[in-house]
Amino acid sequence: ETGVTQTPRHLVMGMTNKKSLKCEQHLGHNAMYWYKQSAKKPLELMFVYNFKEQTENNSVPSRFSPECPNSSHLFLHLHTLQPEDSALYLCASSRGGVGADYNEQFFGPGTRLTVL
Amino acid sequence: GQSLEQPSEVTAVEGAIVQINCTYQTSGFYGLSWYQQHDGGAPTFLSYNALDGLEETGRFSSFLSRSDSYGYLLLQELQMKDSASYFCAVRAPISSGSARQLTFGSGTQLTVLP
Repeated sequence: ETGVTQTPRHLVMGMTNKKSLKCEQHLGHNAMYWYKQSAKKPLELMFVYNFKEQTENNSVPSRFSPECPNSSHLFLHLHTLQPEDSALYLCASSRGGVGADYNEQFFGPGTRLTVL
Repeated sequence: GQSLEQPSEVTAVEGAIVQINCTYQTSGFYGLSWYQQHDGGAPTFLSYNALDGLEETGRFSSFLSRSDSYGYLLLQELQMKDSASYFCAVRAPISSGSARQLTFGSGTQLTVLP
């Protein structure tokens, strides 16, 4: 247990569905991240939130929409996905703020997403 | 942009020592980290080097040479449970001068044989 939980752990959806992934951290961190992990590829950073403010969006398609209502919760809303979006979606958190160490990120177990 | 290179696979036997290398190219550099990920599991943090030299944490050590843009993870007294993927990651500005992101390598699959 890393203190970061993700639900659901597995999700199968059609291309016309709308679904949401949820992440919650119990570590008192202020920075949260969404990553995509595809087979044989590096973890790809998708979004970064620091103190609930989105600070990075690494050219992610608009069919992925993040939401961070508070420092403990992070959502990824999905709609009209493509089969190539099938992957493991990982949430992570770290300490945030000026002078904080961002190197140690704590990852959740991920959501295995399959788009049919 | 950032790019990292590490071997895709390494195989070793129990009790042996193995070194996983990582070379990187970045515009700006704030540190090199290592993560371990077992099959079906989440990446977990192992170590971090911001300055040149060796950092030791139990059976695992990590080394950094900033002048060579190179680092490695050294695993000693290998155990079966060390079979996993190992990722190096650099902390560097990606956009807007932000230093809050990690860029990961593709990972090295370590197989420990009995």
